[in-house]
Amino acid sequence: DTAVSQTPKYLVTQMGNDKSIKCEQNLGHDTMYWYKQDSKKFLKIMFSYNNKELIINETVPNRFSPKSPDKAHLNLHINSLELGDSAVYFCASSQSSDTQYFGPGTRLTVL
Amino acid sequence: AQSVTQPDIHITVSEGASLELRCNYSYGATPYLFWYVQSPGQGLQLLLKYFSGDTLVQGIKGFEAEFKRSQSSFNLRKPSVHWSDAAEYFCAVAPDSWGKLQFGAGTQVVVTP
Repeated sequence: DTAVSQTPKYLVTQMGNDKSIKCEQNLGHDTMYWYKQDSKKFLKIMFSYNNKELIINETVPNRFSPKSPDKAHLNLHINSLELGDSAVYFCASSQSSDTQYFGPGTRLTVL
Repeated sequence: AQSVTQPDIHITVSEGASLELRCNYSYGATPYLFWYVQSPGQGLQLLLKYFSGDTLVQGIKGFEAEFKRSQSSFNLRKPSVHWSDAAEYFCAVAPDSWGKLQFGAGTQVVVTP
């Protein structure tokens, strides 16, 4: 059984478009995260939700908007995509501040 | 400033040889410490973690790590590498709060026959 899943796995789109990435976890965790991995493999946290409440909001352009409809889901919507948004986006989940488990990643390419 | 440093960007090791990956951190107190591995095109898999207690931590795939408070280090080791260990390895730390993981830049491990 997949613990943390993301869709889509690959996303290719044009500049200026709006796109969403979805994340679901079946671990019963109460906290979920979005990370961005750039072309140099550097990983940086973007957002975190605990029980559907935003608890971490790093310096991310407000074109990025996370949404957590319930504890098991955390989606990432990106408006007006830019070339610099090209990256791999990872979702993760944890039980409170315990170990984080990562999804397989979504590779976003903006043309 | 809080930071995580992996001094080695790239390591090449022969199959069967030992491997040690370095990680140093700069935090006010002892944070939670993790090692993750990322195989090409894959997500991150947790190898091991240290929260407290025994400073030598055993993980999956034959890896272990040793926490040394005096050196602010959490180095990862494996006595004998396999070709399947070729991957990117990330050290990560989290303060005692809501799990805001800070990652090192990663070390790419190449295994030669």
